[in-house]
This record gives sequence, C-alpha cells and structure tokens, in this order.
Amino acid sequence: AQSVAQPEDQVNVAEGNPLTVKCTYSVSGNPYLFWYVQYPNRGLQFLLKYITGDNLVKGSYGFEAEFNKSQTSFHLKKPSALVSDSALYFCAVRRVSGGYNKLIFGAGTRLAVHP
Amino acid sequence: GAGVSQSPSNKVTEKGKDVELRCDPISGHTALYWYRQSLGQGLEFLIYFQGNSAPDKSGLPSDRFSAERTGGSVSTLTIQRTQQEDSAVYLCASSLVGGRVETQYFGPGTRLLVL
Repeated sequence: AQSVAQPEDQVNVAEGNPLTVKCTYSVSGNPYLFWYVQYPNRGLQFLLKYITGDNLVKGSYGFEAEFNKSQTSFHLKKPSALVSDSALYFCAVRRVSGGYNKLIFGAGTRLAVHP
Repeated sequence: GAGVSQSPSNKVTEKGKDVELRCDPISGHTALYWYRQSLGQGLEFLIYFQGNSAPDKSGLPSDRFSAERTGGSVSTLTIQRTQQEDSAVYLCASSLVGGRVETQYFGPGTRLLVL
C-alpha cells in the first residue's frame, strides 16, 4: 500500500529563520511526490513536485524540497520564512493503479511563522 | 476560466436532503478528480473521470454518493439522503490528460454542513 506520513501536526518558526516541513513516504516502484499549500478557506495550491532527476526540486514562493530515496523522505524547505508562509501544508504521493493517478495525501502540517 | 471553479462555495442542508456540488475544470483538461477533506479523515480521494467516464470510483464512501460528467467538462457530485458525517470540504481538481507525472490543480472547494 502506498502512504504518506507527516510526523508533525504543527511547526513553529520565527520569521527570517529557515523552515523544514517533514514528509516520508511508502510506495512500490518509483515515487511521484508533491507538495501543496492550503491557505484559510482556500483550495490547495501546487508548490512543487518530484518526478525524476535532480533530488533538489525548486518550487513556488521560494520553497524547495529534497528527495532522499534511502530515507524515503521528501522534506519541504525554505531558507528564510515569511509570516505569509503560515498555512497548512500537504505532502502527497501519486498512486498509479490501472494507469490512473489518484493522490494519496498526508495528514497535513500547520506552519506558523511568528514575527 | 483560468482555474478550477466550484459552486456553491458553502452549502448548509438538513439531514436527509440531497445536495449537488458542481465543478468546472480548467478548460481543455480531460481528467477530473473529486476529493473530500474532513477533520477525521484528512484528504481522501473520491472519484476520477477521464472524459465523461469514471474508471476509478473506489473512493466513494457509500452508494449515496454519485458523480457524473457531461461534455467532458463540468462535473456534478451528488449526495443523497445526507448524513452529518458527510459534512466536509469537497475539492475538485483537474489535470490535462491524467498522466502519471501531471500536476492536479485544485478548486477552492465546497464547504458542506449537514445539520
């Protein structure tokens, strides 16, 4: 079975400090991994994805994520956090069954950036 | 339109009533997905459309839930005889052709409250 774990319900960071939101996955075969962000009363916004190639993936709003196959992790990072980054972050893995591609989501991590 | 749109944005209904939720995908996207976001279950897949057919309905929680898509565009998710546990945010997403490496783009969601 394919699954995603986000071990932290909430991450607190001071503005200007680096941030990391953790994600580990379990998947058979090559993983396709995604990060989405959700602001209050909004839908999910795509941040970045890993399909193949370079382990460091750069995405929107200065975010990046590092794919680590040996640790089965895909942690989201940003060098300098902004208060406006405060939101709910979801990691997801692509499930390919029968050629279709539903997303399996983690439980989400709430990021709070304090001034 | 530029993005995925959903209507209504909010719906309050009484237990036992039927509701219809609408999704208008990004123009030209042939793949459409419904997900549900609830406090207890997180983000879960409901159904996938490729064109007007639904090859994957595995996430529909009961036979009270059904969905259709017409003209390869707009989709309607119908919940019959609503129950309080149906209260959730229903999210729709679309992607270009449903390929494994594609990004799914989400709408703002419909917040359903069953009293």
